[in-house]
Amino acid sequence: NAGVTQTPKFQVLKTGQSMTLQCAQDMNHEYMSWYRQDPGMGLRLIHYSVGAGITDQGEVPNGYNVSRSTTEDFPLRLLSAAPSQTSVYFCASSPSDTGFYDTEAFFGQGTRLTVV
Amino acid sequence: KQEVTQIPAALSVPEGENLVLNCSFTDSAIYNLQWFRQDPGKGLTSLLLIQSSQREQTSGRLNASLDKSSGRSTLYIAASQPGDSATYLCAVPSLYGNKLVFGAGTILRVKS
Repeated sequence: NAGVTQTPKFQVLKTGQSMTLQCAQDMNHEYMSWYRQDPGMGLRLIHYSVGAGITDQGEVPNGYNVSRSTTEDFPLRLLSAAPSQTSVYFCASSPSDTGFYDTEAFFGQGTRLTVV
Repeated sequence: KQEVTQIPAALSVPEGENLVLNCSFTDSAIYNLQWFRQDPGKGLTSLLLIQSSQREQTSGRLNASLDKSSGRSTLYIAASQPGDSATYLCAVPSLYGNKLVFGAGTILRVKS
């Protein structure tokens, strides 16, 4: 039972490079989302999706792109990495297409990204 | 705007003690409240989910209560163990349910 799987676990990027953080879930969840966790700022929502083909912005979307071509996968793309994007990134999913109204949230193990 | 506060920010207790972690939220119109555990350098593990219609949930040595009217939840840990050392986070759904609003967490250290 894999749950929510994120890859890679660690990544170092140079300023200006691009990369994709992968998130996959095997629970057939409709809702998927990306958060970043920073000291003193807590967890903040970047982007979310309520189903394949549907995405929307969260609190801190600038510098990130997402797409949802399948139910299982929700990749997060950094277009041109900046030191301010150094953070721990978490992917979360929920069975409901309305998000977390009445269902449990499932989180991946995180990707630690450093931009130098 | 929903805000979630957790007290205390850090707690250090000897092994075997019973302890209470507190979570408060400003908007009582919540659908549910979830408690998570986060180990250093790891992801978030769901501990308990309390629906708005429930007053408490139990899992092993953990008991979480919810009082919507006062905007509070508590996580009770019985007979604490060194393995309970972690950061504990509480979270509630936002108004539209599209995100979770987290508290800053309580860092728990259980000394052997």
